[in-house]
Amino acid sequence: GQNIDQPTEMTATEGAIVQINCTYQTSGFNGLFWYQQHAGEAPTFLSYNVLDGLEEKGRFSSFLSRSKGYSYLLLKELQMKDSASYLCAVSGWGYQKVTFGTGTKLQVIP
Amino acid sequence: GAGVSQSPSNKVTEKGKDVELRCDPISGHTALYWYRQSLGQGLEFLIYFQGNSAPDKSGLPSDRFSAERTGGSVSTLTIQRTQQEDSAVYLCASSNPQGAIMDEQYFGPGTRLTVT
Repeated sequence: GQNIDQPTEMTATEGAIVQINCTYQTSGFNGLFWYQQHAGEAPTFLSYNVLDGLEEKGRFSSFLSRSKGYSYLLLKELQMKDSASYLCAVSGWGYQKVTFGTGTKLQVIP
Repeated sequence: GAGVSQSPSNKVTEKGKDVELRCDPISGHTALYWYRQSLGQGLEFLIYFQGNSAPDKSGLPSDRFSAERTGGSVSTLTIQRTQQEDSAVYLCASSNPQGAIMDEQYFGPGTRLTVT
């Protein structure tokens, strides 16, 4: 089976940097996704990590350590529109099932 | 091109009635997923299709839930004898994995189901 843990809520200040952590235990590992979900909307894709290391994409970066079962999403130069839930999701071996964590609700304050 | 579409967008039904939720994935996407999301909660996996086959039905909450996919395209999630705890947003997503190489999931807007 798969178990994914991430903090329930976080608050950060506009213009600052925030790191959202995700730890997972899986029976197999194929890759880790991060999705953003604004209230009342569907999730949208942010990043996908397969290998260890940091993937940078504009203001957003995602890090993976497979040996530690650990990932983080780094958001720089926070904007008010970044207030949303951030979902960590893991795919296992064998087939393309993707299991989501419960999400971290980020509130950006002025 | 067109994204994932779902219908209806909202459905209010009486307890005990059957409902059908429809998902039209992105054309050419082989993988299709159904999730359920209750208010303020994360995504609960229900079922996944690769083509018309469902390798994993482990997330279906009970035998009142069933899903099918035909022609490798449209999928229907059916809930029989609905209960109030079935009230949630039902999200469909599709992707185009290449063998073991995953692809991002594209989500539809969801169907908000309310059982009264």
